[in-house]
Amino acid sequence: QVQLVQSGAEVKKPGSSVKVSCKASGGTFSSYNINWVRQAPGQGLEWMGRIIPILGIANYAQKFQGRVTITADKSTSTAYMELSSLRSEDTAVYYCARGYSSGLIDYWGQGTLVTASS
Amino acid sequence: EIVLTQSPGTLSLSPGERATLSCRASQSVSSSYLAWYQQKPGQAPRLLIYGASSRATGIPDRFSGSGSGTDFTLTISRLEPEDFAVYYCQQYDSSITFGPGTKVDIK
Repeated sequence: QVQLVQSGAEVKKPGSSVKVSCKASGGTFSSYNINWVRQAPGQGLEWMGRIIPILGIANYAQKFQGRVTITADKSTSTAYMELSSLRSEDTAVYYCARGYSSGLIDYWGQGTLVTASS
Repeated sequence: EIVLTQSPGTLSLSPGERATLSCRASQSVSSSYLAWYQQKPGQAPRLLIYGASSRATGIPDRFSGSGSGTDFTLTISRLEPEDFAVYYCQQYDSSITFGPGTKVDIK
């Protein structure tokens, strides 16, 4: 059974960075993409970007270009999302999710709450 | 960027009733690269429908999807108590975008 287990909640100061991890099990890590999607409190879903672990290539939504970095470690089947220059509007639950080359997303992690507050 | 619009924003229905949710795209979504997700409070989204009309593994047949081009529909034939949730459409034809969601609540 596919499982994506994310790291725990974070509280960060505005202007700092946060790095969230996502460990995959129950599938072949390199056969899929790992997407990152966030959800601000009471709001909808917002796609941030994805990585193809087997190639190590990431692409990002234009809104987050230059501020987000997605990486993957094939040896540990873990993906990472780092968001820099945090502002209060970045307070959200961040999800990792498994995706196919078509772009379809199926399994999701449990989510990680990131709070950006002074 | 393909913008998705969902209607209505909120749908108030009773258990046993039929729910019809709409998703409209700002431009044609080719190859029906359109999915639907269900999200309950405090939970991650769950894939219901992909390719506009194919049910994901384990999804009951009371959920069905239809449509093509710019207009898509998710239908829940008879609402069960566990179906009251927020539903999002998503296109994965050109990058990835989500609609704003439709909340199905108990009347």
